Parts: sequence; structure tokens; C-alpha cells
Amino acid sequence: DIVMTQSPDSLAVSLGERATIKCKSSQSILYNSNNKNFLSWYQQKPGQPPKLLIYWASTRESGVPDRFSGSGSGTDFTLTISSLQAEDVAVYYCQQYYGPPFTFGGGTRVEIK
Amino acid sequence: EVQLVESGGDLVQPGGSLRLSCAASGFTFSGHWMHWVRQVPGKGLVWVSRINIDGSTTTYADSVKGRFTISRDNAKNTLYLQMNSLRAEDTAFYYCARDKIYCSSTNCWGGDWFDSWGQGTLVTVSS
Repeated sequence: DIVMTQSPDSLAVSLGERATIKCKSSQSILYNSNNKNFLSWYQQKPGQPPKLLIYWASTRESGVPDRFSGSGSGTDFTLTISSLQAEDVAVYYCQQYYGPPFTFGGGTRVEIK
Repeated sequence: EVQLVESGGDLVQPGGSLRLSCAASGFTFSGHWMHWVRQVPGKGLVWVSRINIDGSTTTYADSVKGRFTISRDNAKNTLYLQMNSLRAEDTAFYYCARDKIYCSSTNCWGGDWFDSWGQGTLVTVSS
């Protein structure tokens, strides 16, 4: 199974500042035939189901604010919130869909400093 | 509007059975692979199972293989998860989720990431 490791477990960021979340896969999730990274990011607020933010490591889902961006390739990926807003307080998860089982990172809790 | 509504969660004894349902509306259910994902309250997300568009292909996490069965009824726009031989470690919220369809200029595919989720149903396995 591909193990997804997120860091940090939690972070506190001031409003308007940048938040950076890392995700590392235990093997490359770059599919050579289409040169795409099989990685997505989700946001989960308390009492709610997850919400898709990013797929193909860097493609923003429709309706997601452009302060959310994804980057990285191979085994190392980053989710960046460029200017943290109060409504961004949540837990963020990465997920690989390179192959089953489709594994998630352990989550990163983002709070306001 | 896409809607996924799970039901069937309950308190059940170890070794017992339960069937979860997920009623879909607002989209062409028969055009999407569907998944179940679970989450122990306060913990992370764990993928459980997937099913293809006509129900002929299913995949399971090792932790549930041989005990859980995913199925679908496209005429009723409903996804199911039959859960047998339940264990305490199966206690979790169970979410149904829809795969994201992506297209090139000539073709479309389903991807194993999830663009819509239900609100979840709680399964508690305890004596």
C-alpha cells in the first residue's frame, strides 16, 4: 500500500498569512503515460464531510478560491493557502489515487494564531 | 444539485450485520463509479470500497475484504454497503462519495478521487 505522510499535524497561522502543508507518498504517484500526479487535497470542517480542493496535484476544483494552490511531483507535494481566512479553519487531507487502496494522509489541522 | 444521503447506521453487536444505503440525486448516478470512505470520529479518512458503473467490478480495502459487500441499484439511484461480521474497529462514520469524471477532447474517464460526499452515517459496533 502507498503510505501518505502529512506534516505538520497542526499549524496556527495569522489571518492573511500563508499556510503550507506537506504531503509525502511512500512511492512515486506520477503516472508516466500521462505525466500526471495522482494526488488530491480535501478540506474538512467540523461536522461536515470532506470537500475536494485540488486534483492532479495542482488543478483547482471549480469554485475553490484561488488562494488555495497545490504543487509538487513524484513523492513530495504541498498545499498552500496564500492568505489565510477565518473560514479556512479546518483539517486538510491529501489522498493518492494511483492505485487501490486509495490512501489518505493523516490530516493537518489549520487554526488561527 | 448533487445530493448523496446515507442511511442505515446503527448500534450493532460484534459479529452482527448492517446494510448502509446511499441515495443519490441531482446527477446521472449510473455514469459514476462510487465509493465508501469511513472515518472514526476525530480521526482520519480511510477508503473502504469502490464499485464501477454497472456493478460488475468491485474493490475493497484488505481490512473489510470478505466481510463487506458493495453493490448498487442504478434503477433506484442507490449505493449499498452490506457489512457482516462487524468488529469494534469498524466503528466509524461511513461516507459515500462520487468519483470525479475528467475528460480530454475525445474521451471521459472516472478518477478515483471524490468530488461529492454525503453527510455520513454512524456505525457503532459495541456490546
